[in-house]
Amino acid sequence: NAGVTQTPKFQVLKTGQSMTLQCAQDMNHNSMYWYRQDPGMGLRLIYYSASEGTTDKGEVPNGYNVSRLNKREFSLRLESAAPSQTSVYFCASSGGTSVQETQYFGPGTRLLVL
Amino acid sequence: AQSVTQLGSHVSVSEGALVLLRCNYSSSVPPYLFWYVQYPNQGLQLLLKYTTGATLVKGINGFEAEFKKSETSFHLTKPSAHMSDAAEYFCAAYTGTASKLTFGTGTRLQVTL
Repeated sequence: NAGVTQTPKFQVLKTGQSMTLQCAQDMNHNSMYWYRQDPGMGLRLIYYSASEGTTDKGEVPNGYNVSRLNKREFSLRLESAAPSQTSVYFCASSGGTSVQETQYFGPGTRLLVL
Repeated sequence: AQSVTQLGSHVSVSEGALVLLRCNYSSSVPPYLFWYVQYPNQGLQLLLKYTTGATLVKGINGFEAEFKKSETSFHLTKPSAHMSDAAEYFCAAYTGTASKLTFGTGTRLQVTL
């Protein structure tokens, strides 16, 4: 099992450019999440998908869109990148949204917006 | 609103010394608490979690944490630090709102010879 995979590992964008971060999991999990990690701020939830076909906003959704393509894949799109979106992005998945469920994280995507 | 506070953004211990990483939470309802570890350039990995039952929770790599409701704390300990423990550690909590895992700001653990 590869667990949670993310592509790309690293990306440099210019302000205003768009890009999509890809995430896939092979654990047959129902729920998937996107977080951003910034120095001194821990991880903050951007969007999540409790199950295939549903998505909901997290703590910091502005400037992002998501697509739950199927049960395995959950993508994050930046339509017009801004320097404030420079961050490390983590995708995670869990069996469900119960508090008993552990979230499993991917290796992250480092994004630099110039 | 639920918040998770980790005291000390950097902690340095000698190899073989006790590791103590502090976490406090604020909530009016019993939370569900987690410790995650992040090694350099990697994603987060679950160390341990408290949901219900025994308040002393044992995790991987010799770590354990004790849930103390009266102190709203969930501190992480390890009796003897190893060089391989050098990483960033995050405390996190669910408050019962579906899917909302709130993370602390993290504590970077340095282990010296």
